[in-house]
Amino acid sequence: AQKITQTQPGMFVQEKEAVTLDCTYDTSDQSYGLFWYKQPSSGEMIFLIYQGSYDEQNATEGRYSLNFQKARKSANLVISASQLGDSAMYFCAIGGTSYGKLTFGQGTILTVHP
Amino acid sequence: DVKVTQSSRYLVKRTGEKVFLECVQDMDHENMFWYRQDPGLGLRLIYFSYDVKMKEKGDIPEGYSVSREKKERFSLILESASTNQTSMYLCASSFTGRGLATDTQYFGPGTRLTVL
Repeated sequence: AQKITQTQPGMFVQEKEAVTLDCTYDTSDQSYGLFWYKQPSSGEMIFLIYQGSYDEQNATEGRYSLNFQKARKSANLVISASQLGDSAMYFCAIGGTSYGKLTFGQGTILTVHP
Repeated sequence: DVKVTQSSRYLVKRTGEKVFLECVQDMDHENMFWYRQDPGLGLRLIYFSYDVKMKEKGDIPEGYSVSREKKERFSLILESASTNQTSMYLCASSFTGRGLATDTQYFGPGTRLTVL
């Protein structure tokens, strides 16, 4: 079984500052993938970034980076230079090799203040 | 770009009605998924399908069924809607391509279902 824990129900950040959203995971799979999604108030889930368990370097996509610490089973999302449009719910998810299934955390609501 | 569409953004039904939620993807993905999202619970997998006419139960299949007659279309059916099925329903699809880990799931816009 796989599990994702997001311990921050809500986070606040000032515009242009960096913010880290925490994610820890548990899995018995040797090979797995970690994902972050953004859900604005409109409801659609937007894929942000992916990290494979065998990837040696941390994933980056523009202002998003994933701080992957395998030994600690953590996969934190770092958003640099926050923008007002970053205000949303953020979900961390883990997938193994079983038909592409993902297990999601409970999410973190990020609010960016001007 | 991957496009996943859902038949309705908002839906209001009465208790006991049969409800169909449709999902269509245009990227020839093998895998399709139905989730429900409730506050504080994240996304929970209801059913998924890895091929036409193939389906597997997720974590919360009770009260739901699915149909996948064509590769691009995956339907979620509430046989007799109940008030506790009021929720946000999200459909997703993914391509089975990588050898080591799962592929990215792409989501539709969601359907907010209210059962009165």
